[in-house]
Amino acid sequence: NAGVMQNPRHLVRRRGQEARLRCSPMKGHSHVYWYRQLPEEGLKFMVYLQKENIIDESGMPKERFSAEFPKEGPSILRIQQVVRGDSAAYFCASSPTTGVIPGELFFGEGSRLTVL
Amino acid sequence: GNSVTQMEGPVTLSEEAFLTINCTYTATGYPSLFWYVQYPGEGLQLLLKATKADDKGSNKGFEATYRKETTSFHLEKGSVQVSDSAVYFCALTLIQGAQKLVFGQGTRLTINP
Repeated sequence: NAGVMQNPRHLVRRRGQEARLRCSPMKGHSHVYWYRQLPEEGLKFMVYLQKENIIDESGMPKERFSAEFPKEGPSILRIQQVVRGDSAAYFCASSPTTGVIPGELFFGEGSRLTVL
Repeated sequence: GNSVTQMEGPVTLSEEAFLTINCTYTATGYPSLFWYVQYPGEGLQLLLKATKADDKGSNKGFEATYRKETTSFHLEKGSVQVSDSAVYFCALTLIQGAQKLVFGQGTRLTINP
């Protein structure tokens, strides 16, 4: 049973470019979460999505960031016009459709974004 | 607000040493508490959890007790192994049925043979 798959693992962008990070949840999981880890800080919640729905985006910056989880295909976290402060590790996590254990998320290995 | 503070790392120990990684929290309600572990090259995975005061979570020889009076959830292991080398994250959630976790900054543990 494949785990949560994130790609790319490493992404380098210049200021002003766009970054797209992809996440495929575990098989049987329909809930996806994105977290960001800035250097020397803990992971911080960004957004919670189900298929075709954003459930909670309270942790998303108001500008330049967007997320989607289409009916088919992976979840995408998109960052437009990147700035140096966007350099971070972005973690995706998923949880099952049923039988959810509170607090138990299954994480990918993360995508490390570096903005030059 | 809600926050988690962890013992600063990195922590380096010899094999078979006793491990404690401190974790304290601030919460507006009554949280559930978790320890996640990230082994090299892998994603975070749930190590143990406790959902109410005085609960003890345990797994793989690790233990942590939910102490409401000291708002703490310290991670302990009696005898560490080289394979325990990883980054450990303490976390809480206040929302039952949802998975909005608040994480500490992580503690990198290295065990030398």
